Amino acid sequence: GDSVTQMEGPVTLSEEAFLTINCTYTATGYPSLFWYVQYPGEGLQLLLKATKADDKGSNKGFEATYRKETTSFHLEKGSVQVSDSAVYFCALTHTNAGKSTFGDGTTLTVKP
Amino acid sequence: NAGVTQTPKFQVLKTGQSMTLQCAQDMNHNSMYWYRQDPGMGLRLIYYSASEGTTDKGEVPNGYNVSRLNKREFSLRLESAAPSQTSVYFCASTRQGDHGNQPQHFGDGTRLSIL
Repeated sequence: GDSVTQMEGPVTLSEEAFLTINCTYTATGYPSLFWYVQYPGEGLQLLLKATKADDKGSNKGFEATYRKETTSFHLEKGSVQVSDSAVYFCALTHTNAGKSTFGDGTTLTVKP
Repeated sequence: NAGVTQTPKFQVLKTGQSMTLQCAQDMNHNSMYWYRQDPGMGLRLIYYSASEGTTDKGEVPNGYNVSRLNKREFSLRLESAAPSQTSVYFCASTRQGDHGNQPQHFGDGTRLSIL
C-alpha cells in the first residue's frame, strides 16, 4: 500500500535560517502530493500541492518539487520566521481513491 | 464561509459513557473523513465517507461508528468510551471525483478526554 515517510523531528532553527523537511513516498501510479501545516490548537491547512512529476508547489515562501525519479517531495524555505513554528505534514492522494495517506508530521520550532 | 465545523471543541467523559462528535461542512464536498491525532502517531483515519450514503472503515475503526446524515454532516459515535480513545479528533472534507486531486479541509478538532 501507499506510505509517506517524513524526516523525524523536532527541528529547531534560528530565525532567517534555511529550512528543509524531507518527504519520500511509496505509491503506485501518479498520486498528487501535498504539504499541510498545523498551528497549535488548530486543524491542518493546505500549504502547497503538486499534481504531476516536476511540478513545483509554492506558497508563503515555501516550495516543494514533485520528484518522481526519487519519489520525493521535500519542503524548503529560504528564510524561516518565528511565525513558521508549526507541525508540517506531507501527504499523497490518488485520483478518486477516496482517502489520503499522511506522514507522521515534523515539528518545527523557530527561535528569534 | 465557515468551512468545516466540529462540535464540541472539548469534552471529558467517564469510561463507558457514550457520545457523538458532530461535523458539518458548507463547501458542497462529497467526501468526508474522521481522524484521530495522538502524540507521536500522526493522523490515523478512523472512518470515511466517499460520497453521501456510503461509509468505509479506515485504519483504526474499532470502538467507533459513523453516520453520513446528509451531504453536509458526518458524525462519529463512541458507544462505550475507553481511556485509549483519549485523543484529538479531526473531521475533514474534500471534493473527490473528476475535479482532480483536491486537498482536504480540516476542522479545528475536538479534544476528548476519557477518565
